[in-house]
Amino acid sequence: DVVMTQSPDSLTVSLGERATINCKSSQSVLYNSNNKNYLAWYQQKPGQPPKVLIKWATTRESGVPDRFSGSGSATDFTLTISSLQAEDVAVYYCQQYYSPPFTFGPGTKVDIK
Amino acid sequence: QVQLVESGGGLVKPGGSLRLSCAASGFTFNGYYMSWIRQAPGKGLEWLSYIDISGSTIYYANSVEGRFTISRDNAKNSLYLQMNNLRGDDTAVYYCARVPDDFWRGFNAFDVWGPGTLVTVS
Repeated sequence: DVVMTQSPDSLTVSLGERATINCKSSQSVLYNSNNKNYLAWYQQKPGQPPKVLIKWATTRESGVPDRFSGSGSATDFTLTISSLQAEDVAVYYCQQYYSPPFTFGPGTKVDIK
Repeated sequence: QVQLVESGGGLVKPGGSLRLSCAASGFTFNGYYMSWIRQAPGKGLEWLSYIDISGSTIYYANSVEGRFTISRDNAKNSLYLQMNNLRGDDTAVYYCARVPDDFWRGFNAFDVWGPGTLVTVS
């Protein structure tokens, strides 16, 4: 199974500042045949289901603000919120969908300082 | 609009069974793979199962293999999860999620989620 780890566990950032979340997979999730990373980022606010922000490691889902960006390849990935807004308070999960079981990272909680 | 709505959750005793349903609307259900994911109270997300469009390719997490069965009825735009021999650690909110097709590997991110249904085993 592909094990997903995230760092930090939690993050407190001032409004307007940058937030960076790291995600690492125990195996590469890059499929060489199409050069795509099978890695997604989700945002979950309290009492709500998760919402996909980024897929293919770098592709922002329709309607997602451009302050959210994804980077990385193979085993190391980053979600960056360039200018944190109050509505970004949530738990963020990375997930690999390269091979089943489609494992999630443990989550990173983002709060406002 | 595109929507998934789970139902069938509730309180069940250990060893009991429950069948969850997920009703899809606003999109062509038989054009998408589907998955079930759960979240125990205060915990992270755990993927449970995946089914392809025809129901011929199915995967399970080790934690539910042999106890849970995923199925779908494309004529009814519905996804199901039959859960048997339930245990206390199955207590969670259960989500169904839509999975767009991917030509290369057949796997994709979960792009639409239902609000979830709570299953309590006690």
